Amino acid sequence: DVKVTQSSRYLVKRTGEKVFLECVQDMDHENMFWYRQDPGLGLRLIYFSYDVKMKEKGDIPEGYSVSREKKERFSLILESASTNQTSMYLCASSFPQWAGGPGEQFFGPGTRLTVL
Amino acid sequence: LAKTTQPISMDSYEGQEVNITCSHNNIATNDYITWYQQFPSQGPRFIIQGYKTKVTNEVASLFIPADRKSSTLSLPRVSLSDTAVYYCLVGDKANAGGTSYGKLTFGQGTILTVHP
Repeated sequence: DVKVTQSSRYLVKRTGEKVFLECVQDMDHENMFWYRQDPGLGLRLIYFSYDVKMKEKGDIPEGYSVSREKKERFSLILESASTNQTSMYLCASSFPQWAGGPGEQFFGPGTRLTVL
Repeated sequence: LAKTTQPISMDSYEGQEVNITCSHNNIATNDYITWYQQFPSQGPRFIIQGYKTKVTNEVASLFIPADRKSSTLSLPRVSLSDTAVYYCLVGDKANAGGTSYGKLTFGQGTILTVHP
């Protein structure tokens, strides 16, 4: 079974703190993703990585950065957390698809981040 | 970006067939349609993916008309355990290549409630 794990299920931070969200997958997937999920807005892509040290911005990258130093690990960084970054953060991974659509993404359980 | 529109919620009863429609008027030539299911406190789970006409697997069918401006997820004989949020995702494969990366767009999701 593919397993995508996230470092915390719940996290509470203060405004201005630097926050690290970690994601690890065990299926040797090249692609990894960070989404945030908010009521009424569905899932929105923050960043995407298709290889070690490679990244691309998603729809809402402002206020976030990412790091991928190893294939199995993809970190989301909030340099200075703000209250509007309170959300559910979901990590996903997948194999590259050279034809036939984006394929299946495997999601982690999510991290519920609250910024006070 | 291909924007998607889904009904916010639907209700059904055990044993019925459920059809959830997703509208994606500006779908691009290379875009595929993918559906995910999400239970509370879990990440989304892949259900089915298609490009045109009809795709069927062991849990669902996906109907895509010739103009591809909409798609319908069909769940046969639902049970209480099918109560979940269903997301329509429109996009291209997410692979290496910088500008060749197709941004993946999730809809807002449809809350399906199955009643006894």
